[in-house]
Amino acid sequence: NIVMTQSPKSMSISVGDRVTMNCKASQNVYNNIAWYQQKPGQSPKLLIYYASNRYNGVPDRFTGSGYGTDFTLTINSVQAEDAAFYYCQRIYNSPFTFGSGTKLEIK
Amino acid sequence: QVQLKESGPGLVQPSQTLSLTCTVSGFSLTSNSVSWVRQPPGKGLEWMGAIWSGGSTDYNSALKSRLSISRDTSKSQVFLKMNSLQTEDTAIYFCTRLWYLDYFDYWGQGVMVTVSS
Repeated sequence: NIVMTQSPKSMSISVGDRVTMNCKASQNVYNNIAWYQQKPGQSPKLLIYYASNRYNGVPDRFTGSGYGTDFTLTINSVQAEDAAFYYCQRIYNSPFTFGSGTKLEIK
Repeated sequence: QVQLKESGPGLVQPSQTLSLTCTVSGFSLTSNSVSWVRQPPGKGLEWMGAIWSGGSTDYNSALKSRLSISRDTSKSQVFLKMNSLQTEDTAIYFCTRLWYLDYFDYWGQGVMVTVSS
């Protein structure tokens, strides 16, 4: 089975900074990656699908990139409300494996 | 609008069977697939399995021997049954709509299940 490895496990960023987090697949998954945001006590929310497509209503400060095995979620000009866990997920083929997540804290 | 809502017992005894229901509205189970995802306290997300729009199922290999997903399309309900529960199955259980094979776009609020005697 494909393993999705996210890094870093956590990061602390100031409002207005740019943040980049990574997701590495153990095999080629082409562009079959989604990114989700989960805040405490809430269900995950879809941000990005097929590596770089922003979902409906997602602010354009969220950008996804990558292909094959290496993927990146970038948040430009981080806002206080972006504090959350972020998960990547393999899509299009099962198993729909999630990464272990990156925790984003705002200083 | 699209909604999913999980229901089931909050407490299950070890070795017993967990039964959960996901009631959906705003879409048809014959046109959309539904997955179950769980999250142990303080940990990440684990995809458990799916029931496709055609009625076939797909499971996480780690859970396949204990897990069953079924549905009642007339009631717009999807069911999860998992047997031989252990304490490590304590988690929030979410149902979510899988938009074709593309992404999980709508999620239920989740139901907390504690496995304890």
